[in-house]
Amino acid sequence: KAGVTQTPRYLIKTRGQQVTLSCSPISGHRSVSWYQQTPGQGLQFLFEYFSETQRNKGNFPGRFSGRQFSNSRSEMNVSTLELGDSALYLCASSWRDLNEKLFFGSGTQLSVL
Amino acid sequence: QKEVEQNSGPLSVPEGAIASLNCTYSDRGSQSFFWYRQYSGKSPELIMFIYSNGDKEDGRFTAQLNKASQYVSLLIRDSQPSDSATYLCAVTRGGSQGNLIFGKGTKLSVKP
Repeated sequence: KAGVTQTPRYLIKTRGQQVTLSCSPISGHRSVSWYQQTPGQGLQFLFEYFSETQRNKGNFPGRFSGRQFSNSRSEMNVSTLELGDSALYLCASSWRDLNEKLFFGSGTQLSVL
Repeated sequence: QKEVEQNSGPLSVPEGAIASLNCTYSDRGSQSFFWYRQYSGKSPELIMFIYSNGDKEDGRFTAQLNKASQYVSLLIRDSQPSDSATYLCAVTRGGSQGNLIFGKGTKLSVKP
């Protein structure tokens, strides 16, 4: 069974631009969650989607948004990029929710110049 | 007070020894508790989860949960050099803003 797939693997953007990251969960998994990982702050929860609805949200500004499609694939968008948005963005999937084993993708490394 | 706290380490143990990793959390409403292992340059992978007070054993790993003390620990017996990684404690929080909170991780180094 294929794992969680994230694209692209690397991205370089400049301040003020916007970016869209993609995540394909493991087949059958309906919960998709997103995380930001930086050396200073560690791994931080962004949001979780289930059945095309955002079910939970972390403490990030509105510039960070996401959506989920009917096939459970998810996208994350960051608008008006700031230098501090440079991070590894990880997507994870599970069958139902956050209270069970999460399977992480390889991540998208975003650099904002 | 940070929501999930871990000693950043590095924690260094000799091969064959027991490694003890600790985590405290602040929200008494926390529901589920996880230990993820992350090798350098790789994604986190789950090694243990625990939902109720007490001990849970899986091979060389034992997770311990004490909700009264808001404390979770991970013991790794017969530590191997391949156990060298960063260990992340994660806690789910319910309520109207349920989410998953990670600690910043403890870096473990197992010396041959």
